[in-house]
Amino acid sequence: QKEVEQNSGPLSVPEGAIASLNCTYSDRVSQSFFWYRQYSGKSPELIMSIYSNGDKEDGRFTAQLNKASQYVSLLIRDSQPSDSATYLCAVNAKAGTASKLTFGTGTRLQVTL
Amino acid sequence: DGGITQSPKYLFRKEGQNVTLSCEQNLNHDAMYWYRQDPGQGLRLIYYSQIVNDFQKGDIAEGYSVSREKKESFPLTVTSAQKNPTAFYLCASSIDSRPQHFGDGTRLSIL
Repeated sequence: QKEVEQNSGPLSVPEGAIASLNCTYSDRVSQSFFWYRQYSGKSPELIMSIYSNGDKEDGRFTAQLNKASQYVSLLIRDSQPSDSATYLCAVNAKAGTASKLTFGTGTRLQVTL
Repeated sequence: DGGITQSPKYLFRKEGQNVTLSCEQNLNHDAMYWYRQDPGQGLRLIYYSQIVNDFQKGDIAEGYSVSREKKESFPLTVTSAQKNPTAFYLCASSIDSRPQHFGDGTRLSIL
């Protein structure tokens, strides 16, 4: 069983719609959860972090965490073509002071005109 | 500007050759990491370091070596023992338990 699982997609949504990206993880002691956006050929860019159950909103992005279900999601409202990218879910298996992350394989999002 | 600098951007390796990828940060971060990304895949951890002169193996350390002689620098050597080195290599850094931030990456290919 993979430690962090994501649907590889592509997830196709029309411009202006809500994109919903999902991620499940297997390690129950995980404490920190992150969403990174990665454009083709570029390095990952942090867009959201969430540490406690519930929702966290930042602009058009909302991260949702449910530790009991071991599930974290990312909602993108009013999707734009510039949101087309691969979204990586990352989970923290803390190792000392280092934030040892385990990444999912990513979900590719396509926002269509 | 503070950030993470990886060099070179593109690197080619000949058979039997060791190559070293550079990673420098001026963020005063304690922890540094190296990841490998293959096409269509997520990131896999090669090595990480929490403090100077200390580092730990990640999930795929075989065929790689690192050093951490200075806080700012965490070079990665891809040795000839790594039989499938073609990948996108990403360096990251963090402080405390805060999120990791990445450099722009190095693409390594075999000649």
